[in-house]
Parts: sequence; structure tokens; C-alpha cells
Amino acid sequence: DTGVSQNPRHKITKRGQNVTFRCDPISEHNRLYWYRQTLGQGPEFLTYFQNEAQLEKSRLLSDRFSAERPKGSFSTLEIQRTEQGDSAMYLCASSPRGDMGRGYTFGSGTRLTVV
Amino acid sequence: TQLLEQSPQFLSIQEGENLTVYCNSSSVFSSLQWYRQEPGEGPVLLVTVVTGGEVKKLKRLTFQFGDARKDSSLHITAAQPGDTGLYLCAGSSNFGNEKLTFGTGTRLTIIP
Repeated sequence: DTGVSQNPRHKITKRGQNVTFRCDPISEHNRLYWYRQTLGQGPEFLTYFQNEAQLEKSRLLSDRFSAERPKGSFSTLEIQRTEQGDSAMYLCASSPRGDMGRGYTFGSGTRLTVV
Repeated sequence: TQLLEQSPQFLSIQEGENLTVYCNSSSVFSSLQWYRQEPGEGPVLLVTVVTGGEVKKLKRLTFQFGDARKDSSLHITAAQPGDTGLYLCAGSSNFGNEKLTFGTGTRLTIIP
């Protein structure tokens, strides 16, 4: 298994544009998570899926943010009308259900810069 | 909202010294994990602790979960430059390995 893959690694966009990130989790993991991390801080929870169902969304996830996992495999995170405050590292992680000992496997993240 | 506070926020020590990083909360966690993150990469799991008072060792790293499952510590013996990184604790409030709440992080620099 190649681990959790995120694309693109870096994205620079102008304020007001829409962006979409993709995450491919470990194939046998049915849980997928999105986190946002700003410089020098710990990751903040955004949302998570069990298979294709989105089970929880953070209040941080405003109406401009939407996430999908249409077939319970890869996931996309879209940000509409980007703002400078959206600049951050967006991390995706996956885990097998019920096996807390194995923790999350994170991807390398997508670094978003809004100019 | 569950909060995990880590201390110190920054730590810079000489190679060969020992150090301890703390992770504290007012909330009880069913399990707690420690991750290390390199610049430009995602966090990598080091250990999971689930039982109050549990101690786990990973080579020169010793992890302890508080008796009340509200706090944890990470002790590194004879630190090496390869230990440099951002150390994050993360707690889960249930046993289903669902949402993790991450701490504020400790940025560790080991000086050769």
C-alpha cells in the first residue's frame, strides 16, 4: 500500500477563486478525516467520513467548504470564494474503524496559499 | 470543547540531554496518541496509550498516560538530532477511533 495520497501538494490561488483538493486513503480504511493546520499549531478537525457517509462537520467548516466521498474511496474538499484566512495546510488521514491502536495515517497535505 | 495544552511550546537542547514534554487537559480521554511531524509532511503516529497509568517505551522514548486519563508525558533520553520535529499529542473521547483532538504542539530542536 502506498499510504494516504493528497493532491496537489501545493496550491496558490487568488482570493475569490474556488479550489478543490483530493485525498486517496489507504484502501482498506473505511474512515477518512480532513484537518486544517496553520503554521506552528496542531491540526484542527474539519470533517470525517465513514465509507461514503459524512458523520461530523466542525463549526470551522463554513458554508464555503464542502467535502465529499462519493463511493467511499477517495475524497474531495472544495473551498469556494477563497479568503486569505483559508491559507493553511489541509491534511487528510484515514483509519480502520474500531482499531484505535493503529491511529491515523496522514497524507503529506496540501498547502494552500491565498493571495 | 476538549482542549489539549502542550508544554513547553518550544524546546531547544543539546544532543545527549534528556527532556520531557507534557500534554494536559481538563477532559478525560479514552485513548491518547503521540505523533511527530516533520516540516512539510503529515504527522506520523508514535504510540497509542489507552489505560490510566500506562507506560510505553519506544527505544529512547517513554510515554505515560495519567492515572485519570487527562494528561500524558513524553520523555526522551539522550536526545539525538533525528528527534527534531513537532511533537503532537491527540486525544479521542470514545473507543471508536473517531475524531481526534490535537494538542497545541511542542517544537523540539536538538542541537548537534
